[in-house]
Amino acid sequence: DVQMTQSPSTLSASVGDRVTITCRASQSIGTSLAWYQQKPGKGPKLLIYKASSLESGVPSRFSGSASGTEFSLTISSLQPDDFATYYCQQYFSYSLTFGQGTRLGIK
Amino acid sequence: QVQLVQSGAEVRKPGASVIVSCKASGYTFSDYYLHWVRQAPGQGLEWMGWINPHSTETHLAQRFQGRVTMTWGTSITTAYMHLSDLRSDDTAMYYCARGEGAEYFHHWGQGALVTVSS
Repeated sequence: DVQMTQSPSTLSASVGDRVTITCRASQSIGTSLAWYQQKPGKGPKLLIYKASSLESGVPSRFSGSASGTEFSLTISSLQPDDFATYYCQQYFSYSLTFGQGTRLGIK
Repeated sequence: QVQLVQSGAEVRKPGASVIVSCKASGYTFSDYYLHWVRQAPGQGLEWMGWINPHSTETHLAQRFQGRVTMTWGTSITTAYMHLSDLRSDDTAMYYCARGEGAEYFHHWGQGALVTVSS
């Protein structure tokens, strides 16, 4: 299986900050990567697919990028609604795998 | 609009089995893969497998092979996930999710909590 290593596991930031979460794949996966946001007690919400394509309805402050086997999710200016847990997910392999998650909290 | 409505919470003893259902509406069920993802309390997401309602093909994560069966109902709008030989570490929220093929997930069910306890 393709292993996804996400960092950091926790992150504290303030409203208005620019934050970046990173996900590294154990092998080349092209751009077969998605990002999700999950809030307590809720199911995940798709933010980004194909590494950098923004899902319809998702604010433009969210963006994704890729460089080799390293992928990044950036929030350009944190809003109060953005404090949540974020997961990456690869779909290059027939068996899908998620990163372990990044909990984004208020500083 | 697309909706995935799952069955309610279940409590089972170790060694028992459980079936979680996922009723789809708002789209043509046979056009999209249906995936199952679970999340243990306070933990991350774990993909379990998918079913292609059009072809009947399924694909399971290796660790669930032999214990999980994914099917769909005769109405062809409800999917089922059967997990057998339950252990305490199967305690989790189980989500169904509509896949963009076998890739990523646009829509998720509300989740069904399965608790395994003696």
